[in-house]
Amino acid sequence: ETGVTQTPRHLVMGMTNKKSLKCEQHLGHNAMYWYKQSAKKPLELMFVYNFKEQTENNSVPSRFSPECPNSSHLFLHLHTLQPEDSALYLCASSQVQENEKLFFGSGTQLSVL
Amino acid sequence: KQEVTQIPAALSVPEGENLVLNCSFTDSAIYNLQWFRQDPGKGLTSLLLIQSSQREQTSGRLNASLDKSSGRSTLYIAASQPGDSATYLCAVSKGNAGNMLTFGGGTRLMVKP
Repeated sequence: ETGVTQTPRHLVMGMTNKKSLKCEQHLGHNAMYWYKQSAKKPLELMFVYNFKEQTENNSVPSRFSPECPNSSHLFLHLHTLQPEDSALYLCASSQVQENEKLFFGSGTQLSVL
Repeated sequence: KQEVTQIPAALSVPEGENLVLNCSFTDSAIYNLQWFRQDPGKGLTSLLLIQSSQREQTSGRLNASLDKSSGRSTLYIAASQPGDSATYLCAVSKGNAGNMLTFGGGTRLMVKP
């Protein structure tokens, strides 16, 4: 148990659906992240939130919309996805300006049909 | 643009062997380097973090070294065990922000009993 909880663990959605991924961290950290892990590709940073403010959007398409209502919760809202968006979506947290070690959740395995 | 390469992509060894995993990066202006472990379908577990001013870090049977000027890091695993079977990922931080990571493609390790 890393202290970072992601729900759901698995999600299957059609291209016209709207769904949300949820992440919660119980570590008192002040930064949260979304990463995407596709088959045969390295992990890719999607979004970074420091102190609830988005500080990085790594050229992610607008069909992915992050939300960080407080420093413990992070959402990724999904709409009109494409089959190539199928991947493992990982949330992480860290304490900025300390040792910066990242703690990851178990991920949401997303399949877009 | 930072690129991180891990060699080999896959490795199979008998139990008890000492082994070395390699990581190289193209831009030496890093804040830190982290090694992670990922079990199939799971999130990442941080193993070791080396600050840019450090040369190595040790945790139990694991030792990671960093040569920033040459853009290289190695993860040494002593007396390998079947439970060490997993994918090992190397990640370097971006510039002066320790929490913006670029990942390598990973080394998939299998330790046979």
